[in-house]
Amino acid sequence: QQPVQSPQAVILREGEDAVINCSSSKALYSVHWYRQKHGEAPVFLMILLKGGEQKGHEKISASFNEKKQQSSLYLTASQLSYSGTYFCGTLRPGGGATNKLIFGTGTLLAVQP
Amino acid sequence: GAVVSQHPSWVICKSGTSVKIECRSLDFQATTMFWYRQFPKQSLMLMATSNEGSKATYEQGVEKDKFLINHASLTLSTLTVTSAHPEDSSFYICSARVGAREYLRYGYTFGSGTRLTVV
Repeated sequence: QQPVQSPQAVILREGEDAVINCSSSKALYSVHWYRQKHGEAPVFLMILLKGGEQKGHEKISASFNEKKQQSSLYLTASQLSYSGTYFCGTLRPGGGATNKLIFGTGTLLAVQP
Repeated sequence: GAVVSQHPSWVICKSGTSVKIECRSLDFQATTMFWYRQFPKQSLMLMATSNEGSKATYEQGVEKDKFLINHASLTLSTLTVTSAHPEDSSFYICSARVGAREYLRYGYTFGSGTRLTVV
């Protein structure tokens, strides 16, 4: 079962902030965040490995609440380049040596001038 | 770096024919690769896990006889869509996890994707 993200879509003006939430019905052992532009492959943003962890780069940051099985992505002072679809991802045991990455439902973010 | 190269970028084929998609890890070895499918305005859905030297494992609902996966070496995995039909038209993307040392920096890295159109 894939993680559920909210909101499904959000429209912002440049400079505004946004929060994207990711919630799982199963235990979250780590959380990945990716951004995908239309027709392109997802681009890695960050991984949070432990409950309580917060991490960020420039104006994009994320938090991970392991007990609540939730993670949030924070975009501050949004730029046009932030537009795209954001996916959280969680790991599940795979058929081989590497866990498989299961993507959330996605959040479409559109930043307007 | 952590680069995964995927070919072709797009392909148009006739209904009933087969199409092969290649995925190569260029600067790291990948004992495991993953294949995803993405329909318009939807999330990426994992289809199968490709394991070097052994059989692929498929997600529930994915036909293993239709989507043939071969992981011939530590750097190459292929997905063959057999007897393609219009409903197989989609965006197919491969992925691999880099080594432990670079994991926090690159996570799971993705190929550029293949847009398959079956007419």
